[in-house]
Amino acid sequence: AQKVTQAQTEISVVEKEDVTLDCVYETRDTTYYLFWYKQPPSGELVFLIRRNSFDEQNEISGRYSWNFQKSTSSFNFTITASQVVDSAVYFCALSDDGAAGSYQLTFGKGTKLSVIP
Amino acid sequence: DAGVTQSPTHLIKTRGQQVTLRCSPKSGHDTVSWYQQALGQGPQFIFQYYEEEERQRGNFPDRFSGHQFPNYSSELNVNALLLGDSALYLCASSLATYRAKGEQYFGPGTRLTVT
Repeated sequence: AQKVTQAQTEISVVEKEDVTLDCVYETRDTTYYLFWYKQPPSGELVFLIRRNSFDEQNEISGRYSWNFQKSTSSFNFTITASQVVDSAVYFCALSDDGAAGSYQLTFGKGTKLSVIP
Repeated sequence: DAGVTQSPTHLIKTRGQQVTLRCSPKSGHDTVSWYQQALGQGPQFIFQYYEEEERQRGNFPDRFSGHQFPNYSSELNVNALLLGDSALYLCASSLATYRAKGEQYFGPGTRLTVT
């Protein structure tokens, strides 16, 4: 069974601070995919990034960066110089390479990030 | 390019009633997945539809059923509603090709309240 743990329920930071959101996953699959989604108050989940299990390169996109470490089963997300618009609930998710095209997503419980001006 | 749309936005039902939620996938997508998100929790997978068939199902009772139409739109039906069915129901669309690698696009959701 797959499992995603986001131990941080809520985080508050002051604007311009850096913040890291933790994600630890469990899976028996050798091929799998990891995701981060952002859910603003409007409720719609916004896709941020996908990584596959064979690619452990860290990725940077503007103020966002992701650190994938297979040895510790972690896929952490860092926001640099946080802004008020970053306030949202962030979900880490995992999918397997199951039946062609199925890719069921297993989500963590989310981390609510509040950026204080 | 239209994204995933869902209707209605909000819905209030009474215990025991039945409800139908609707979803239109992102243009070009052929697969629809449904998720239930209880307050303060992450979304939980209900089922996925492709080629008008249920391809995969999460740990949800048979009261939850669905349908996919030839135009790829989908419906989620819940019978004999329980108070615990109150949640945000999210629809996600994707391409059923390996290249898509699980990338799903979510709609704004339908907030269902059961009283």
